[in-house]
Amino acid sequence: KAGVTQTPRYLIKTRGQQVTLSCSPISGHRSVSWYQQTPGQGLQFLFEYFSETQRNKGNFPGRFSGRQFSNSRSEMNVSTLELGDSALYLCASSPGTSSTGYEQYFGPGTRLTVT
Amino acid sequence: AQSVSQHNHHVILSEAASLELGCNYSYGGTVNLFWYVQYPGQHLQLLLKYFSGDPLVKGIKGFEAEFIKSKFSFNLRKPSVQWSDTAEYFCAVILAAGNKLTFGGGTRVLVKP
Repeated sequence: KAGVTQTPRYLIKTRGQQVTLSCSPISGHRSVSWYQQTPGQGLQFLFEYFSETQRNKGNFPGRFSGRQFSNSRSEMNVSTLELGDSALYLCASSPGTSSTGYEQYFGPGTRLTVT
Repeated sequence: AQSVSQHNHHVILSEAASLELGCNYSYGGTVNLFWYVQYPGQHLQLLLKYFSGDPLVKGIKGFEAEFIKSKFSFNLRKPSVQWSDTAEYFCAVILAAGNKLTFGGGTRVLVKP
């Protein structure tokens, strides 16, 4: 099976702009989670989607949003970018049910730099 | 809220030395536990996982971990490391599907040839 893919891999944006990141999960996986990785804060959970519904959300401001499509692909959007949003954004894919296991498989990430 | 602690931030070893990385979590209920590895320039990869059953779990590349419920610990071990084990290792816990995967702060391991 193909792994989790994320596009774009690198992105440079200016403060105040908005950005949309995309994630395609492993075929058959219905759960997609998003994480932010920074040197200072480590890996922090943003939100999780399962069958197009947001099941859980982390402690990030409303500028961070996401959605999931019927084919399980997911996008996350960050509006009004701030310098502190510079990070590696990781997408993780999972079967998402107790019968199939909760392990999450990560994509390569999108490196976002805000200038 | 659950939390995960990895007490060693940096570990430096010589090849063939044994490795043990500590991981403790704060939640008292049923948990699923994981160790992930991030090699330089690569994405996070699942090393091993514990859901239930035998508390000693074996993963890829010769790694194993032991779940000790009474100590809320899930320590990672490898009897003999190689230079290629140089990476950052993350312990993580999840309570149930749909809940967040909570990561420890990570341990950077440097194996000297």
